[in-house]
Amino acid sequence: KAGVTQTPRYLIKTRGQQVTLSCSPISGHRSVSWYQQTPGQGLQFLFEYFSETQRNKGNFPGRFSGRQFSNSRSEMNVSTLELGDSALYLCASSPQDKRAETQYFGPGTRLLVL
Amino acid sequence: KNQVEQSPQSLIILEGKNCTLQCNYTVSPFSNLRWYKQDTGRGPVSLTIMTFSENTKSNGRYTATLDADTKQSSLHITASQLSDSASYICVVSTQTGANNLFFGTGTRLTVIP
Repeated sequence: KAGVTQTPRYLIKTRGQQVTLSCSPISGHRSVSWYQQTPGQGLQFLFEYFSETQRNKGNFPGRFSGRQFSNSRSEMNVSTLELGDSALYLCASSPQDKRAETQYFGPGTRLLVL
Repeated sequence: KNQVEQSPQSLIILEGKNCTLQCNYTVSPFSNLRWYKQDTGRGPVSLTIMTFSENTKSNGRYTATLDADTKQSSLHITASQLSDSASYICVVSTQTGANNLFFGTGTRLTVIP
């Protein structure tokens, strides 16, 4: 069974631009969560989707948004990029509808904002 | 306030030696505790998961312990290998609330030959 895949793996943008990241969960998994990871803050929860609905949301500004499609694939969008948005963005999927179940992480997308 | 604290922040050990990483939490009500290993530039991979009734769980050379009374967990690595060099993240989940996962900031382990 293929693992969680994320595209692109690396991305360089400039301030003010927007970016869209993609995540394909493990086949059969319906819950997808997104995290931002920076050296100083560790893993910070962005949001979680289940069956195309956002179930939970972390404390991030409205510039961060996401969506989930009927095939459970998910996208995350960041508008008006800021230097502080440079981070590793991780996607995790789980089979059940509770995020507390075992999550399987993708390799992440490394975003650098110049 | 629900928090997870890990210590030390970083650790350097010689190949073949043992080490122990610590995780203290204040998350309540407790549901389970997980240890993840994250190689540089990669996503975290689950090592162990323990519920309230479990106080030890092993995965090869990795052994996690949990003391639910003192709200402490440790991850013991035996006979370390160069491939153990990674960040180790402690994650505690609670039974209630929308945001029910709490992450530690991790311990960066470096194993040197």
